[in-house]
Amino acid sequence: EAGVTQSPTHLIKTRGQQATLRCSPISGHTSVYWYQQALGLGLQFLLWYDEGEERNRGNFPPRFSGRQFPNYSSELNVNALELEDSALYLCASSLVGTTNEKLFFGSGTQLSVL
Amino acid sequence: QKEVEQDPGPLSVPEGAIVSLNCTYSNSAFQYFMWYRQYSRKGPELLMYTYSSGNKEDGRFTAQVDKSSKYISLFIRDSQPSDSATYLCAMESNAGGTSYGKLTFGQGTILTVHP
Repeated sequence: EAGVTQSPTHLIKTRGQQATLRCSPISGHTSVYWYQQALGLGLQFLLWYDEGEERNRGNFPPRFSGRQFPNYSSELNVNALELEDSALYLCASSLVGTTNEKLFFGSGTQLSVL
Repeated sequence: QKEVEQDPGPLSVPEGAIVSLNCTYSNSAFQYFMWYRQYSRKGPELLMYTYSSGNKEDGRFTAQVDKSSKYISLFIRDSQPSDSATYLCAMESNAGGTSYGKLTFGQGTILTVHP
């Protein structure tokens, strides 16, 4: 069974550009979560999507946005990139809309903003 | 003050040692407690999950939760070089039976087990 897949693996952008990160959850999982792992800051919760709807978002500015498609895959968009957006962006999925179920993480997209 | 505090280490131990990893937290609403292991250039994988005070054992791993002291621990017995990774504690609030889909993580402890 395929795990959570994320693309691209690495992404290099310049300040002010937009970045689009993609995530495919495990088959049968309806919830998708996005986390940011910046150096020295640990994993920070970004967004939670379930059944196509945004259910919760973390303490991030509105230029971080996303969506979930009918096939439950998800996209994270970061507009007006800033240097401090450089981080590993992790996507996770779970069976139901609660993290009480086991959360499966992908290997992440390493975003570098120059 | 961070909601979850975890000593980042790094921690270096010889093979076969007992490893103790700890986190403290300040938010009384945290009900669920998890330990994740993250290898370099990989996503975190769930090791242990518990929601009550006390001990939970799974093979060489034991998770301990003390809600009164707001303190959780992970013990690794007979540590192996393959245990070398970053260990992250994570917690979730489920106030009123509602999930917010959000885990709050500690910073992670870097563990190296040398042969």
